[in-house]
Amino acid sequence: DSGVTQTPKHLITATGQRVTLRCSPRSGDLSVYWYQQSLDQGLQFLIQYYNGEERAKGNILERFSAQQFPDLHSELNLSSLELGDSALYFCASSPRIAAYSYEQYFGPGTRLTVT
Amino acid sequence: GQQVMQIPQYQHVQEGEDFTTYCNSSTTLSNIQWYKQRPGGHPVFLIQLVKSGEVKKQKRLTFQFGEAKKNSSLHITATQTTDVGTYFCAVAYSGAGSYQLTFGKGTKLSVIP
Repeated sequence: DSGVTQTPKHLITATGQRVTLRCSPRSGDLSVYWYQQSLDQGLQFLIQYYNGEERAKGNILERFSAQQFPDLHSELNLSSLELGDSALYFCASSPRIAAYSYEQYFGPGTRLTVT
Repeated sequence: GQQVMQIPQYQHVQEGEDFTTYCNSSTTLSNIQWYKQRPGGHPVFLIQLVKSGEVKKQKRLTFQFGEAKKNSSLHITATQTTDVGTYFCAVAYSGAGSYQLTFGKGTKLSVIP
């Protein structure tokens, strides 16, 4: 158990719909990262938040957005869903940002199926 | 971010055989991390390498960072069924208060008992 929690575990929805994925980082971790994992694209970095502020953006679509709340939990919002958005979405956390890297602790993931 | 190529994509070994996965970059890397993801699980951090020529060991696992810091390898001696999973290398890119990891595509290891 990494200490990172994600809900829901599974989500099945239809094309065109909007969903919200939730992540609670490890206690004390200020940085939250979102990743998308699909069979053909591997593990893709989406976005990073640090203490409530967006700090880095990766391959995140405009239909997707995220935020980190004062209690440090984060939500990833996916809208106008397409079949290709079906994937595993992971949240990870780390203590803080530094000039060199910190290991990231991954949550169990949310499996999104768009039908 | 920096791109890394990971090979092979798949590896099937007999239990007891050795296994190696390689991570290569065309540019010099500041550091490299390795993660393992069991089937149906999430990535779990294994190790971080930062120094040129660095070698670290964890029981049957040996991690190396190349002298030029452009490649890295993970070697497992005498594989066991518990080694099954996908092994990812990841490169950290940081700057201007941001930080992100770029993952290789991973090597999926199957161990035949």
